[in-house]
Amino acid sequence: AQSVSQHNHHVILSEAASLELGCNYSYGGTVNLFWYVQYPGQHLQLLLKYFSGDPLVKGIKGFEAEFIKSKFSFNLRKPSVQWSDTAEYFCAVSTGRRALTFGSGTRLQVQP
Amino acid sequence: DAGVIQSPRHEVTEMGQEVTLRCKPISGHDYLFWYRQTMMRGLELLIYFNNNVPIDDSGMPEDRFSAKMPNASFSTLKIQPSEPRDSAVYFCASSLTSGGRETQYFGPGTRLLVL
Repeated sequence: AQSVSQHNHHVILSEAASLELGCNYSYGGTVNLFWYVQYPGQHLQLLLKYFSGDPLVKGIKGFEAEFIKSKFSFNLRKPSVQWSDTAEYFCAVSTGRRALTFGSGTRLQVQP
Repeated sequence: DAGVIQSPRHEVTEMGQEVTLRCKPISGHDYLFWYRQTMMRGLELLIYFNNNVPIDDSGMPEDRFSAKMPNASFSTLKIQPSEPRDSAVYFCASSLTSGGRETQYFGPGTRLLVL
């Protein structure tokens, strides 16, 4: 069975700082990769997704992620964070099983 | 499109009572998923359906949990009897078959508190 690891559980940044959240997965076959964001008290919203092709994918709100197959990684990045980016971020993987396997989440706190 | 609709948004009940959570997927979607989110276990899959048929219920905690999808636009997750450890946020999600490139869209969730 696949698993997803997010090693950063809680990240605190100042506004305008750059962000990189790590995500590693374990699965030997073809995977689909996702980042979801959950703002306080809200539901999960899709930030970006990777199925195939260009390993650098761009999502909403200035986020991007890079798929590095050799490292089984799909790290999320943003050059300059804003206070409104304060949220919890989840990396997720799906395979032929269709259902998503989520990482434990990273809570991002951006200080003004 | 209205997105995935869940009801109720909040539910407070007493231990031993029956709880029914409801979900309406996005129109035309053929996959429906139920997830549970807790502090201890994070987001975990409970069950999912394809064309109203349960495909994988290996995540359902125990016999107290049951899920149905009587038609393409409605699903229920029932807990009977409920216990305090069932307190969690329950999310429903749906997706459309897209040759292995499915994207799941989530509902607002039902926050359940069992006293």
